[in-house]
Amino acid sequence: KQEVTQIPAALSVPEGENLVLNCSFTDSAIYNLQWFRQDPGKGLTSLLLIQSSQREQTSGRLNASLDKSSGRSTLYIAASQPGDSATYLCAVRSGGGADGLTFGKGTHLIIQP
Amino acid sequence: EPEVTQTPSHQVTQMGQEVILRCVPISNHLYFYWYRQILGQKVEFLVSFYNNEISEKSEIFDDQFSVERPDGSNFTLKIRSTKLEDSAMYFCVVWRFLADDTQYFGPGTRLTVL
Repeated sequence: KQEVTQIPAALSVPEGENLVLNCSFTDSAIYNLQWFRQDPGKGLTSLLLIQSSQREQTSGRLNASLDKSSGRSTLYIAASQPGDSATYLCAVRSGGGADGLTFGKGTHLIIQP
Repeated sequence: EPEVTQTPSHQVTQMGQEVILRCVPISNHLYFYWYRQILGQKVEFLVSFYNNEISEKSEIFDDQFSVERPDGSNFTLKIRSTKLEDSAMYFCVVWRFLADDTQYFGPGTRLTVL
């Protein structure tokens, strides 16, 4: 059974810092990996999706990498801003089509102004 | 513009009552999913639905749950006899197969069982 772990559980940094969020998964046979952002009491917003054949994806100040063989992904946030404060969730999809996503518990990020 | 909307945004019900949560996709999607998130816990997969039938379901999705797409548009999740532990955020998720692999989450319905 796939298990997803995110470290750290919480992180508080001053504005402007670059930071890295970590995600690990137990079964390397994945279809893709997706990073989401969740604001308090809200739904999930997809940030980046990495296919199993890809090594990284970039969107603006965000960069996600994937090392499938070691079961790891990182989300790099450059020049953090207070608006980046949210919970960041990592989710893996083991198969295509009907398979659901397996989520980590998330990293609760606070960017201090 | 969101890919999917959900109604109601918040539902309060008494234990043992039936509830129906609704999801309305904005455009043409092939795969539909329901997930739930109990307060402070992980987001959990419940069920996937394709071509008007269940494709996959998790251990959570027991006989108390059912899904259907009655009019070819709305996608519903029914909980027949709610329990206190059913209190959670329920998210409808859509996937436009062949367009991209991103699963798009709706805003969620907060279900509170008293």
